[in-house]
Amino acid sequence: AQSVAQPEDQVNVAEGNPLTVKCTYSVSGNPYLFWYVQYPNRGLQFLLKYITGDNLVKGSYGFEAEFNKSQTSFHLKKPSALVSDSALYFCAVRDGDYGGSQGNLIFGKGTKLSVKP
Amino acid sequence: DTGVSQNPRHKITKRGQNVTFRCDPISEHNRLYWYRQTLGQGPEFLTYFQNEAQLEKSRLLSDRFSAERPKGSFSTLEIQRTEQGDSAMYLCASSDPGLAGGSTDTQYFGPGTRLTVL
Repeated sequence: AQSVAQPEDQVNVAEGNPLTVKCTYSVSGNPYLFWYVQYPNRGLQFLLKYITGDNLVKGSYGFEAEFNKSQTSFHLKKPSALVSDSALYFCAVRDGDYGGSQGNLIFGKGTKLSVKP
Repeated sequence: DTGVSQNPRHKITKRGQNVTFRCDPISEHNRLYWYRQTLGQGPEFLTYFQNEAQLEKSRLLSDRFSAERPKGSFSTLEIQRTEQGDSAMYLCASSDPGLAGGSTDTQYFGPGTRLTVL
């Protein structure tokens, strides 16, 4: 069965410092991995995805994520955090080998990022 | 319009009443998804359409839930005989798999409909 784990409920970072939000996954086939951000009372905004190729994926707002197959991880990173990055971050996975009819994403529980000035 | 829209944004209802939500996907996106999100949790998949065909339904989608996408454009999600446990944010997403199909497409989410069942 597919699953996603975000081991930290909350991450606290000072503005200007680097940030990492952790994600590990489990799928039986090839993983397609996604990061989304959610601001209060809003839907999810797409940040980036890994399908194949370069393990380092760059996305919106200066975020990037590194795919590590041996550790089954897809951690989200940013070199210098902004107060405006404070939000809820969700990692999601899809099994790429399941076939085109399998539409759904499996989400983690989310990690609350708090960036202090 | 460049995004997924959902109406209403908020719905308060009494237990036992029926409610219906609407989702308008991004134009020409032929895939449409419904998810449910409760407090402190990530979204959970409910159902998925490709054009007007409902291709997959989660076990979370009880008999009281029904979704339609009659013309392959907007979709509705109806909950009959609502229960307090139905209180959640209902999210809609759409995607375009392109000519290749498959499952590499990115899902774009709407703002959600927050349901409160009293």
